[in-house]
Amino acid sequence: GAVVSQHPSWVICKSGTSVKIECRSLDFQATTMFWYRQFPKQSLMLMATSNEGSKATYEQGVEKDKFLINHASLTLSTLTVTSAHPEDSSFYICSARGVVNEQFFGPGTRLTVL
Amino acid sequence: EDQVTQSPEALRLQEGESSSLNCSYTVSGLRGLFWYRQDPGKGPEFLFTLYSAGEEKEKERLKATLTKKESFLHITAPKPEDSATYLCAVQLSNTGKLIFGQGTTLQVKP
Repeated sequence: GAVVSQHPSWVICKSGTSVKIECRSLDFQATTMFWYRQFPKQSLMLMATSNEGSKATYEQGVEKDKFLINHASLTLSTLTVTSAHPEDSSFYICSARGVVNEQFFGPGTRLTVL
Repeated sequence: EDQVTQSPEALRLQEGESSSLNCSYTVSGLRGLFWYRQDPGKGPEFLFTLYSAGEEKEKERLKATLTKKESFLHITAPKPEDSATYLCAVQLSNTGKLIFGQGTTLQVKP
């Protein structure tokens, strides 16, 4: 099956620092990658969609200057949370879609900002 | 407004007790409907995609069906390892984005 990895699986940082999360499709080429955020006991909320080689499209209410997304290759997308604050603490999950329509999700990254 | 609603919010079953989870939707246009399983602290695991009313798909103890307004995930003779949150997501035909329901948390007791 299609495998998507994320790194790191959890991260703790101080307020004001930046954190980078990597998302990789391991056994397929992902033309489109998605970044979601999930709060405890809530469902997934789409943050942005990125296509390889082009700028990401952000959902309404998501600050593009705070959540920087780069999709530099067909197997790698990164999400950088800039100047993180405690309210950015959340579970961040990426997904990838290749030639088939299905989206396959990574294991998620737990971010805690102190 | 595009909306996906799952019911019940939580479901407790005894091992072997079959049941169904519901996903109803109101969207501008449906490209497909996805079912995922999510374990605590992990990303969603893909289960099924349904594209047209009347379509059915099966995998082990799970069977998903689709009508024009809703989808059902039937669980036959569940086992404790089936305990998880089951997420339904509708893919919009105009944007391709997934709109998720709130999920049904299933607990199967031995």
